[in-house]
Amino acid sequence: GIQVEQSPPDLILQEGANSTLRCNFSDSVNNLQWFHQNPWGQLINLFYIPSGTKQNGRLSATTVATERYSLLYISSSQTTDSGVYFCAAMDTGRRALTFGSGTRLQVQP
Amino acid sequence: DAGVTQSPTHLIKTRGQHVTLRCSPISGHKSVSWYQQVLGQGPQFIFQYYEKEERGRGNFPDRFSARQFPNYSSELNVNALLLGDSALYLCASSKETGYIEKLFFGSGTQLSVL
Repeated sequence: GIQVEQSPPDLILQEGANSTLRCNFSDSVNNLQWFHQNPWGQLINLFYIPSGTKQNGRLSATTVATERYSLLYISSSQTTDSGVYFCAAMDTGRRALTFGSGTRLQVQP
Repeated sequence: DAGVTQSPTHLIKTRGQHVTLRCSPISGHKSVSWYQQVLGQGPQFIFQYYEKEERGRGNFPDRFSARQFPNYSSELNVNALLLGDSALYLCASSKETGYIEKLFFGSGTQLSVL
């Protein structure tokens, strides 16, 4: 099955800093999503982005499907951005998302 | 509109027992998926149901089973519980108009097996 790798595994930022999280996937995908898991375990869908670029407030994401990677940009980070960010991909013909191991982000005041 | 709802939120069982977890999808969503998340790891796919039919199954033993009801709600059943089944069990729903798009997750059921 498809392999999903995320980097970096851990990230510590000062409030107001910008960051880029990377997701590499091993095969062609028809579904690529980014999630934020808060300290209470809730998984929030940030982006459904199998290709192209999307923006939502301080967050934006870009997927280059031909090169098999996706990037999540966080600008002007806030303490509420802390948590674990997961990238998940679904390859053609399958019905399951394969999650990466996540990037644990800590934003300090 | 309510999001994906799961019950119970927490559950403690002993080895060998059976457990049933429940999920109600977002109104209008016909697809339900189940994922298991062990502490420190990303969620792992267990099952996907659409229109009451199983459409996908992950690499889990036959002790795990699920079903979807006519109102699109779903149950996940686990028999003969093992210590290793302790995890956060997440349910997700999606519209699925021919293929799966954006998944919306519930808050999960935290299962502890003693």
